[in-house]
Amino acid sequence: QKEVEQNSGPLSVPEGAIASLNCTYSDRGSQSFFWYRQYSGKSPELIMFIYSNGDKEDGRFTAQLNKASQYVSLLIRDSQPSDSATYLCAVNTRGNYQLIWGAGTKLIIKP
Amino acid sequence: KAGVTQTPRYLIKTRGQQVTLSCSPISGHRSVSWYQQTPGQGLQFLFEYFSETQRNKGNFPGRFSGRQFSNSRSEMNVSTLELGDSALYLCASSWEAGGDTDTQYFGPGTRLTVL
Repeated sequence: QKEVEQNSGPLSVPEGAIASLNCTYSDRGSQSFFWYRQYSGKSPELIMFIYSNGDKEDGRFTAQLNKASQYVSLLIRDSQPSDSATYLCAVNTRGNYQLIWGAGTKLIIKP
Repeated sequence: KAGVTQTPRYLIKTRGQQVTLSCSPISGHRSVSWYQQTPGQGLQFLFEYFSETQRNKGNFPGRFSGRQFSNSRSEMNVSTLELGDSALYLCASSWEAGGDTDTQYFGPGTRLTVL
């Protein structure tokens, strides 16, 4: 069974520090990797996606992908209290008509 | 470009009733996926539709069903509601789920409460 694993947290990070969120996946055929942010009571919103090994940066966010080790991570620089949310990792395999989702990591940024 | 819309936003039903939820995808998107999310839980996949065809289905009982229309709008139906069906139901659309970088965009969700 294809699985995506995330530490449920909560992960507590001081304001201004780097928050590091990790996700591992079981299917070596996975092609695309997505990070979503979900505030309490709201729907998930896309932060970024990555499909090539290495780093991809978008503002304060950096996604890192290592297909050999089957993990993808999200770094948030200069963390702000508004970054406090649950972060969901999702994985897509070519030809599979659904994303496989992790359970999410709750991130708390302490002022 | 308008985002994904879901109606109604809130719904209160009693056990045994049935409910129909609606989702209108982003213009041009042909894939619609439905998810159930209960408090503290991740996204549970219900089903995915593309060009009016259900291509994938999650592990939910037959009380949960859906369909997609020719304009890509989708509905899901839950019959014989149970207390455990209380959840946030999310709809997500994409150009074509399964593409290398195909991204799902979510609607605001329908919060269903079963009394």
